[in-house]
Amino acid sequence: AQSVTQPDIHITVSEGASLELRCNYSYGATPYLFWYVQSPGQGLQLLLKYFSGDTLVQGIKGFEAEFKRSQSSFNLRKPSVHWSDAAEYFCAVGALSSNTGKLIFGQGTTLQVKP
Amino acid sequence: NAGVTQTPKFQVLKTGQSMTLQCAQDMNHNSMYWYRQDPGMGLRLIYYSASEGTTDKGEVPNGYNVSRLNKREFSLRLESAAPSQTSVYFCASSGLTHQPQHFGDGTRLSIL
Repeated sequence: AQSVTQPDIHITVSEGASLELRCNYSYGATPYLFWYVQSPGQGLQLLLKYFSGDTLVQGIKGFEAEFKRSQSSFNLRKPSVHWSDAAEYFCAVGALSSNTGKLIFGQGTTLQVKP
Repeated sequence: NAGVTQTPKFQVLKTGQSMTLQCAQDMNHNSMYWYRQDPGMGLRLIYYSASEGTTDKGEVPNGYNVSRLNKREFSLRLESAAPSQTSVYFCASSGLTHQPQHFGDGTRLSIL
């Protein structure tokens, strides 16, 4: 069965520290992947996407993610976290072979930033 | 620059009442989606419409119906609301295949 796992439900980091949020997927088809961020009371905003090519992708707000096919992972990173990064983060996966655009979302990781 | 607009933003219903959640997008997108978000479960797809005139079930369709009224609008209907349908509902749309989905701000629905 297709699935997306974000192993960390909640992460706390100090402001200025580095961040890595994990995403693992189980998919029978070649995937394309996204990371989204959700602030309280808001909808989801796209951070970055991977379809093919360079496995290290850059996104908005200083985020980057690396696609590792051998590990079925697409981890999100940021070198230095700002207090405004506190939010919930979702990894999402779709199948390149499908034309429906359907995505499977992970459970989400809530990021808390300590001053 | 409205993007995806959902109405209402908040709603409280009694068990057994019916309700239609409205969604409209102004980006000329072909595909539209309805999700529910529950704590610890991420977003789960209820129904989607890959193109105008078509609708299909997602992961959790029971208790819901949808209508793709035209290219812009995609509504979600609860015919007989149940407490288990208390959730935050998100509508999303996407353009060309494999492009990112754009989300509305959600409808927070409580069923007593």
